[in-house]
Amino acid sequence: AQSVTQLGSHVSVSEGALVLLRCNYSSSVPPYLFWYVQYPNQGLQLLLKYTSAATLVKGINGFEAEFKKSETSFHLTKPSAHMSDAAEYFCAVMLTGGGNKLTFGTGTQLKVEL
Amino acid sequence: NAGVTQTPKFQVLKTGQSMTLQCAQDMNHNSMYWYRQDPGMGLRLIYYSASEGTTDKGEVPNGYNVSRLNKREFSLRLESAAPSQTSVYFCASSEALDRTHQPQHFGDGTRLSIL
Repeated sequence: AQSVTQLGSHVSVSEGALVLLRCNYSSSVPPYLFWYVQYPNQGLQLLLKYTSAATLVKGINGFEAEFKKSETSFHLTKPSAHMSDAAEYFCAVMLTGGGNKLTFGTGTQLKVEL
Repeated sequence: NAGVTQTPKFQVLKTGQSMTLQCAQDMNHNSMYWYRQDPGMGLRLIYYSASEGTTDKGEVPNGYNVSRLNKREFSLRLESAAPSQTSVYFCASSEALDRTHQPQHFGDGTRLSIL
């Protein structure tokens, strides 16, 4: 069965610093992986997705993620944090068996400090 | 573009009451989903509808029922609400059918409290 693990439920960075949010996956078949962002009192918005076309995936708002099969990881990065990046971030893996179902990680709350 | 619209946005119920959460999408998507979000647990799939006319259980279906009314609408019903069902409920939709790895689009959620 597919699953994802997000290391660190809370991450705090200074404005302008590198953002690194960790996600490791478990899958018996090549996975499809997603990162979503959730701002307070809103639904989830897609940041980026990996669907085997390229291992380095660029998303919106300057975020990118690299798929590393050897490490079973799909970490999310941004070179320079902005105050507006403060939100909760979810990694998700698409399940096999149809219906485009997703299994989500437990989320990482990103705090950006001045 | 409205996207995915959920009603109501907030609701307080008493234990044992019933209610239906409504969801509609205007993107002509085939698949629709209901999730619940609880602190520290991420989003968990309650039910989904891969296409109009079909519904299937997700990870946590107990205590819920769903209806795919038409291609646009997918409702979630709590027949006899319990305090354990206090949560934020999200509806989502995606364009395509099996194995096409299309992303899901989410509504803004329904915040449900059961006393």
